Amino acid sequence: DSGVTQTPKHLITATGQRVTLRCSPRSGDLSVYWYQQSLDQGLQFLIQYYNGEERAKGNILERFSAQQFPDLHSELNLSSLELGDSALYFCASSVQGEAQFFGPGTRLTVL
Amino acid sequence: GIQVEQSPPDLILQEGANSTLRCNFSDSVNNLQWFHQNPWGQLINLFYIPSGTKQNGRLSATTVATERYSLLYISSSQTTDSGVYFCAVAPRVSDNDMRFGAGTRLTVKP
Repeated sequence: DSGVTQTPKHLITATGQRVTLRCSPRSGDLSVYWYQQSLDQGLQFLIQYYNGEERAKGNILERFSAQQFPDLHSELNLSSLELGDSALYFCASSVQGEAQFFGPGTRLTVL
Repeated sequence: GIQVEQSPPDLILQEGANSTLRCNFSDSVNNLQWFHQNPWGQLINLFYIPSGTKQNGRLSATTVATERYSLLYISSSQTTDSGVYFCAVAPRVSDNDMRFGAGTRLTVKP
């Protein structure tokens, strides 16, 4: 158990819909990262937050957004979903600049 | 951006055999980690190893940062070692956001 929790574990939805994925980092970690794992693109970095502020952006679509709340949990919002958004979404947390620990992931299926 | 290449892409072993997985990266890094993704999709931390050598049971890893590569050694492999092994690096000019290699898929046969 990495100490990072993600909900829900599975999500099935339809094209055009909006979903929210939630992540709670390990106790004491201020940095939260979101990654997407798809069959064609592999594991890709989406976005990072540090203590509530956006710190770095990767290959995140404009239809996607995220935030980190004062209690340090984070949410990834995916809107206008397309079939190609089906993937495993991981959250990771770390002490800034040190090892990242990954949550169990949320498997999103868009039908 | 930084390139991360892992080799071999696939590896099939008999139980008890040893193996070496390689990760090459194209630029200086702040962070390098090895992960094992099990059949249930979970990414398990193996090593945080931006430089030097570490050992944990049957697994060990070495990173030679000046030559931009890292090696993961698995000795006396077991069927539970099967899965995909990923190397991930954070470029030196980054906030620790990681770039993943394509992985090595390991199958250990009984």
